[in-house]
Amino acid sequence: EPEVTQTPSHQVTQMGQEVILRCVPISNHLYFYWYRQILGQKVEFLVSFYNNEISEKSEIFDDQFSVERPDGSNFTLKIRSTKLEDSAMYFCASNPLAGRADTQYFGPGTRLTVL
Amino acid sequence: RKEVEQDPGPFNVPEGATVAFNCTYSNSASQSFFWYRQDCRKEPKLLMSVYSSGNEDGRFTAQLNRASQYISLLIRDSKLSDSATYLCAVKNTNAGKSTFGDGTTLTVKP
Repeated sequence: EPEVTQTPSHQVTQMGQEVILRCVPISNHLYFYWYRQILGQKVEFLVSFYNNEISEKSEIFDDQFSVERPDGSNFTLKIRSTKLEDSAMYFCASNPLAGRADTQYFGPGTRLTVL
Repeated sequence: RKEVEQDPGPFNVPEGATVAFNCTYSNSASQSFFWYRQDCRKEPKLLMSVYSSGNEDGRFTAQLNRASQYISLLIRDSKLSDSATYLCAVKNTNAGKSTFGDGTTLTVKP
């Protein structure tokens, strides 16, 4: 069964550094999402992306964050200047256009640790 | 009021027990409802979509009550491998974001 993949599985960075988290959504899916989960807390929505533009974003998704689909397969989340509080699991998800159109499929996540 | 609220848990049950989780949602216009299972430091894995007619998958049964705005998950004959955190999620549109509850942790003991 096709899966969402994410790289790296774990990223350690210094505060103030830029990080790029990468995702390869399921190939025939057209809606893409980023979520984060701070340790011990709930899964929180960051941003959704469709047709090469942001369709919705949360209050968390401020100017330090950006998303991009640089080619036909990758979907990236960039954090421009990381803060300690950005330490979390970051999950990418994708949604098909048809079939089970309401179902999101999650990748295995990237654990970001900001020191 | 939280958009999605779950039983706080944790639930500690013996093998073979039946356990039920409840989840309420605040937006009456919500369209889609899901139960996910999450193991420690792993991604949410879809357990079941929840439909108005109710749906069953083996030992798992999910129900939706739109009038009262809650969904439930029933696990029968609990196994040790059912130990996990169960997340309730709600979507307002097919392609929209998922809003998750805080999760309810289940521990099944021998």
